[in-house]
Amino acid sequence: QVQLVQSGAEVQKSGSSVKVSCKASGGSFSSSAISWVRQAPGQGLQWLGAIIPLFDATNYAQNFQGRVTITADESTKTAYMEMRSLRSDDTAVYYCALAASYGRGDGLHFDQWGQGTLVTVSS
Amino acid sequence: QLVVTQSPSASASLGASVQLTCTLKSGHINYAIAWHQQQPEKGPRFLMKVNSDGSHTKGDGIPDRFSGSSSGAERYLTISSLQSEDEADYYCQTWGTGIHVVFGGGTKLTVL
Repeated sequence: QVQLVQSGAEVQKSGSSVKVSCKASGGSFSSSAISWVRQAPGQGLQWLGAIIPLFDATNYAQNFQGRVTITADESTKTAYMEMRSLRSDDTAVYYCALAASYGRGDGLHFDQWGQGTLVTVSS
Repeated sequence: QLVVTQSPSASASLGASVQLTCTLKSGHINYAIAWHQQQPEKGPRFLMKVNSDGSHTKGDGIPDRFSGSSSGAERYLTISSLQSEDEADYYCQTWGTGIHVVFGGGTKLTVL
């Protein structure tokens, strides 16, 4: 069973960038799909994008194309999400989520979640 | 366009059963979905994957009180013998080709 541990809370100024990490331990990493999902205060879950480390393949939600970059380091089993040009409405908890099922050809459901990273954007 | 729809709220009494529904948009009614639970002030937790034929695969440690089923475009999560800790938000998630993921708006379950 994979465990996901994310980096700590961040406070950033409007217009700056933030980079959040997600380190996996145990289980498969490279053949899985690792997604980033955010949750603004009082709101639902919003998918930002995903990476398959084995192929270095990424895809992003249309709303975040060009502003978010997802990368992965297979040697350290760590995924990263960088968001640029931060705005106040980017204030949210950011989660990484792993779909080990992807490597088995069994869909893209997230069977493991990180603990979340609060990103606060101040003006 | 890949879309899943959930009712915003549901309620049921302690010890009773409740069924939550996730509806797939026309053109995607054969898609599988996943259910995730988010208890207050916690992160999401994977409950199960539900296939179009009603078969489901649960996550590690998910109690037998939780089950999944399907009918047409609808995917269900049934919770029996409701407990206070089942009061949570429940999210439906599906996926399309090219690594594309969609969430429903979530259902807030109140245990009376």
